[in-house]
Amino acid sequence: DQQVKQNSPSLSVQEGRISILNCDYTNSMFDYFLWYKKYPAEGPTFLISISSIKDKNEDGRFTVFLNKSAKHLSLHIVPSQPGDSAVYFCAASGRYGGSQGNLIFGKGTKLSVKP
Amino acid sequence: EPEVTQTPSHQVTQMGQEVILRCVPISNHLYFYWYRQILGQKVEFLVSFYNNEISEKSEIFDDQFSVERPDGSNFTLKIRSTKLEDSAMYFCASNGRRMNTEAFFGQGTRLTVV
Repeated sequence: DQQVKQNSPSLSVQEGRISILNCDYTNSMFDYFLWYKKYPAEGPTFLISISSIKDKNEDGRFTVFLNKSAKHLSLHIVPSQPGDSAVYFCAASGRYGGSQGNLIFGKGTKLSVKP
Repeated sequence: EPEVTQTPSHQVTQMGQEVILRCVPISNHLYFYWYRQILGQKVEFLVSFYNNEISEKSEIFDDQFSVERPDGSNFTLKIRSTKLEDSAMYFCASNGRRMNTEAFFGQGTRLTVV
């Protein structure tokens, strides 16, 4: 039961261009969404988040967009840098069915930014 | 910058043995979690812990798993009788507020059951 889906296992982008990572979810009770970045042999590192009451949140080169009607969110990185190469996880949380806001993760998208 | 630390970074154990994975959450955080990631799969929630008790656990967290906060700083995950399918990366996480905030993750412990 994939409540959070990242349908692209990998993405390759040229340095300086925009990277767009996509995420879909099925549970309408989710009300908070997060993006984590993960390098090999390290734990996930928090990147940016968005509450369901917003449709956009921006932090430097990173912007997250939320489309609640489509149950879709995306992470934009612009301009992309080689150091952005990592696996990006979308995660969601919300109070529902006894859940206390623990994170539900997607499978991740491996981003490669080529110089 | 405060961080979550986990030890050991890699643990190899024989099937049926008990293992204890250790974590030191960020000092002023109140909510603690264990997640795991089997190779090639998604990160999965195991258990959350608050006020010295489990607040939520997943179906994965069966009777062979237990958690403990033995002192003011450590948070441990014990697997009583390991199985081959317990081989995974285990991540500890903590946050200062339970709901709708980001959790900070440790670097993980790679558990290999042979």
